[in-house]
Amino acid sequence: AQSVTQLGSHVSVSEGALVLLRCNYSSSVPPYLFWYVQYPNQGLQLLLKYTSAATLVKGINGFEAEFKKSETSFHLTKPSAHMSDAAEYFCAVSKRRGGADGLTFGKGTHLIIQP
Amino acid sequence: DADVTQTPRNRITKTGKRIMLECSQTKGHDRMYWYRQDPGLGLRLIYYSFDVKDINKGEISDGYSVSRQAQAKFSLSLESAIPNQTALYFCATSDFAGESDTQYFGPGTRLTVL
Repeated sequence: AQSVTQLGSHVSVSEGALVLLRCNYSSSVPPYLFWYVQYPNQGLQLLLKYTSAATLVKGINGFEAEFKKSETSFHLTKPSAHMSDAAEYFCAVSKRRGGADGLTFGKGTHLIIQP
Repeated sequence: DADVTQTPRNRITKTGKRIMLECSQTKGHDRMYWYRQDPGLGLRLIYYSFDVKDINKGEISDGYSVSRQAQAKFSLSLESAIPNQTALYFCATSDFAGESDTQYFGPGTRLTVL
């Protein structure tokens, strides 16, 4: 069985500061990993995905994540937070490419940006 | 994503009523999914379909049924709605034949069962 743990249901950072959202996974097979963002009253939008091609993955809006097998982690970072980054962020795992048989999501982290 | 549409966007109903949520996609994808989102719980998979003849249960299928009427349409039904089915429901699609490796989500349907 797969699972995802997102540390911190709420994370608050100042505008311009580093954003770090933590995600640890459990998977019996090499995982496919995803980060999605959900803005208020909207659906989920893919930020980035890990598919074993490279351990450092760059996504949209300046976000990136690094796959660390030894730590079973896939933390999301952004060097400088912007007010528009305020949203809910979900880490997800799948044992098949593209989440073919469905994604297992973490509980989400609400990112708050302080002016 | 405008390529994945869900109707209705909001629905309030009463306990015991039958409800159908509909999802349509113009992306030409073969795979479709239904998830529900509850505050503090993230999203959980209800059902998924690889094609019209292939329907699979997800993590929380009890109390739900689905119908894949065509490649582009995937409906979720609550035969007898109960209050703990109040949630935000998302449809998603993916393209296994292609190389997108991504699930695309609709805008969601907010369902309230009184």
